[in-house]
Amino acid sequence: AQSVTQLGSHVSVSEGALVLLRCNYSSSVPPYLFWYVQYPNQGLQLLLKYTTGATLVKGINGFEAEFKKSETSFHLTKPSAHMSDAAEYFCAVSDNDYKLSFGAGTTVTVRA
Amino acid sequence: NAGVTQTPKFQVLKTGQSMTLQCAQDMNHEYMSWYRQDPGMGLRLIHYSVGAGITDQGEVPNGYNVSRSTTEDFPLRLLSAAPSQTSVYFCASSYIGANTGELFFGEGSRLTVL
Repeated sequence: AQSVTQLGSHVSVSEGALVLLRCNYSSSVPPYLFWYVQYPNQGLQLLLKYTTGATLVKGINGFEAEFKKSETSFHLTKPSAHMSDAAEYFCAVSDNDYKLSFGAGTTVTVRA
Repeated sequence: NAGVTQTPKFQVLKTGQSMTLQCAQDMNHEYMSWYRQDPGMGLRLIHYSVGAGITDQGEVPNGYNVSRSTTEDFPLRLLSAAPSQTSVYFCASSYIGANTGELFFGEGSRLTVL
């Protein structure tokens, strides 16, 4: 079985500052890893994913994440926060490419 | 370009009532699923289907029923609503085996059980 732990339910950053969202996973098989974003009153949309190959993954809106097998982590970063990044972010894990288990989510607020 | 369509968007029920949340997708996805979203708990998988006529239980299936008679539709039935089922429900679909890893979500159905 797979599971995800997101450290920190709320993160507040200043506009232009680094965004760092932490995600650790457990999986009995090589995992597929994902980050999704949810804007208010909307469904989730995919930010980026790791399946195989390069461990540094780039996604939409300037986000990237690095798969570190030794640390069982898949942290999400963005060098410079924008007001439009305010949203809830979910890390997810799967042992295939469709049935996902989600973390509890991290809400990001961006201060002007 | 409809994607995943959920109805209704909002519903209020009394304890013990039954209802069906509808989900339809027009992308010919094999995989369809229902999640519930509760504060501080993320999304939890209720039921899923890998094709017409095939369904299976997820993490929190009790009190819910599903069927998949067509590729396009995957309704979620609440048999006897309870206040613990107050939540936001999301339907999501995906291809299988295409290694895309992208679930497509509907906009959600907010259910309140009194």
